Amino acid sequence: EVQLAESGGGLVQPGGSLRLSCAASGFTVSSHYMSWVRQAPGKGLEWVSVIYRGAGTHYADSVKGRFTISRDNSKNTLYLQMNSLRAEDTAVYYCARDSSGPADWGQGTLVTVSS
Amino acid sequence: DIQMTQSPSAMSASVGDRVTITCRASQGISNDLAWFQQKPGKVPKRLIYASSSLQSGVPLRFSGSGSGTEFTLTISSLQPEDFATYYCLQHSSYPLTFGGGTKVEIK
Repeated sequence: EVQLAESGGGLVQPGGSLRLSCAASGFTVSSHYMSWVRQAPGKGLEWVSVIYRGAGTHYADSVKGRFTISRDNSKNTLYLQMNSLRAEDTAVYYCARDSSGPADWGQGTLVTVSS
Repeated sequence: DIQMTQSPSAMSASVGDRVTITCRASQGISNDLAWFQQKPGKVPKRLIYASSSLQSGVPLRFSGSGSGTEFTLTISSLQPEDFATYYCLQHSSYPLTFGGGTKVEIK
């Protein structure tokens, strides 16, 4: 059974950094495209980033240059390093295993950027 | 970037109604479109992928159609558990983009 468990969210000040983790089980992260998707409170879904099987990456314009997606194959874990955080980055962040787009989703972790 | 325009943004319907939600892409995306259902406080759940393929375990009253720039999600007979917000997603090219959502409420 595919399972994804995000962690690492919390309260951070504007300009701060946070690293989200997504521990996977039931499949191998390195064999799949993996995405991060976020949802601001009361708002719609926004795709954030993807990492390919070959470790290529893509980012939404809103996070390009500030966020970095990566994975640790030995830990079967996906990461999202978030720097220079802004109030508008406040959201629930979901990791997802891609198969024709995000297919299997974790439960999400809340990131709040506020002073 | 490909823009996804979803309509309506909200609707009221009764149990048993046939419901249709539309998504329009700003450029052709073949059949690279998925539909998601999200209930309050819950994780989005994929219903349809590749425009018309039903995700395993999803009831047959859900169906998807379309290709190119026009896509439709249809619920043939709305059930109480179907009251939720629905999103389309194009997965033809990066950045992936979601529609703005359609909130289906009880009439």
